[in-house]
Amino acid sequence: QVQLVESGGGVVQPGRSLRLSCGASGFTFSTYGMHWVRQAPGKGLEWVAVIWYDGSNQDYAESVKGRFTISRDNSKNTLYLQMSSLRAEDTAVYYCAREYDDSDALDIWGQGTMVTVSS
Amino acid sequence: DIVLTQTPLSLSVTPGQPASISCKSSQSLLHSDGKTYLYWYLQKPGQSPQLLIYEVSNRFSGVPARFSGSGSGTDFTLKISRVEAEDVGVYYCMQSIQVFSFGPGTKVDIK
Repeated sequence: QVQLVESGGGVVQPGRSLRLSCGASGFTFSTYGMHWVRQAPGKGLEWVAVIWYDGSNQDYAESVKGRFTISRDNSKNTLYLQMSSLRAEDTAVYYCAREYDDSDALDIWGQGTMVTVSS
Repeated sequence: DIVLTQTPLSLSVTPGQPASISCKSSQSLLHSDGKTYLYWYLQKPGQSPQLLIYEVSNRFSGVPARFSGSGSGTDFTLKISRVEAEDVGVYYCMQSIQVFSFGPGTKVDIK
């Protein structure tokens, strides 16, 4: 079935880097735009980044611009989020999500992976 | 940046009664292509968010008919005609006309 599975979360010190992965299955990954959305503990949803289906374009929330990089490997059906210069306020559950057909709606979400930035 | 404001932030509803959530945008979400880029999601307790409504009023596949979306420009509403126990959770509106952003969420529980 259609599925997204995130991995790579963990505890990391401030200023360090971490790479998240999102494995896709059950659909033609290379034809869908993909997003990262995060949720700090007890807080609401915050959109993080988007990448076009072919990787030709990306966009970021101001809060992560210049520190995070979204990328994808369509041959591996995998989405990535490279996070650098991490801060305590980056602590959150990170979800990957798929765009619905030619809409900007996010129709499939993963289960999330927790990132904790702490010394 | 576009700011989405939701009211109320919390709602307690008797099963079988209607519920309504408002989402107001600081800028119009109507694009020159004629689409309005406003969506609704529900995050049930302990779960990932799920898509309910896209482009203001289109119910996503599998979403019960008791959910409906309406509005235009900067003012939007999600209505649940008769709330059921399974509808508890936090409802978020989201816009994508200018980057993407979510509203603060409205927590719905059952009386």
